[in-house]
Amino acid sequence: QKEVEQNSGPLSVPEGAIASLNCTYSDRGSQSFFWYRQYSGKSPELIMSIYSNGDKEDGRFTAQLNKASQYVSLLIRDSQPSDSATYLCAVKGRGNEKLTFGTGTRLTIIP
Amino acid sequence: DAGITQSPRYKITETGRQVTLMCHQTWSHSYMFWYRQDLGHGLRLIYYSAAADITDKGEVPDGYVVSRSKTENFPLTLESATRSQTSVYFCASSDQGFWTETQYFGPGTRLLVL
Repeated sequence: QKEVEQNSGPLSVPEGAIASLNCTYSDRGSQSFFWYRQYSGKSPELIMSIYSNGDKEDGRFTAQLNKASQYVSLLIRDSQPSDSATYLCAVKGRGNEKLTFGTGTRLTIIP
Repeated sequence: DAGITQSPRYKITETGRQVTLMCHQTWSHSYMFWYRQDLGHGLRLIYYSAAADITDKGEVPDGYVVSRSKTENFPLTLESATRSQTSVYFCASSDQGFWTETQYFGPGTRLLVL
């Protein structure tokens, strides 16, 4: 079992709809969770971080964390064509200096 | 410009040659990382460094060597390049707190080994 799993997609969502991206992780001691966005041919950039159970909102983005079920999700409201990218879930364990990345979900917003 | 830079951006080499990829950051971040990104594997950690003269292996270190004599530089050397090392290489840096982690990535180096 991979440490961090994501559905590779592609996930196609109409413009203006909600895009939902999911990630599960295997290390129950994981403490920090991150969503990175990567445009084609570019480097990853951090868009959200979450450390506690529940929801965290930042503009059109909402990260959701459920440690009991070991999943973290990212919701993108009012999806725009500029949201088309690969979204990488990353997890950091307790006292761990390293991030473990999922393979990413490719999201396409259809105008 | 401030930030994290990588050089070269593109490199073509031949099997068996030594190749060094450079990474430079201007934030004085303590941590630096090297990843490779391949289709189907996502980002995989090769080596990382917590400070100057402190380095440690990541998930896929075989065939690679790193050094960190200065905080701002973290070169990655492929001692004898193989075709399987064809990949996109990203350098990243962070100024880690205990819980928080924001890694800032360089633009990447696209390496082709013939």
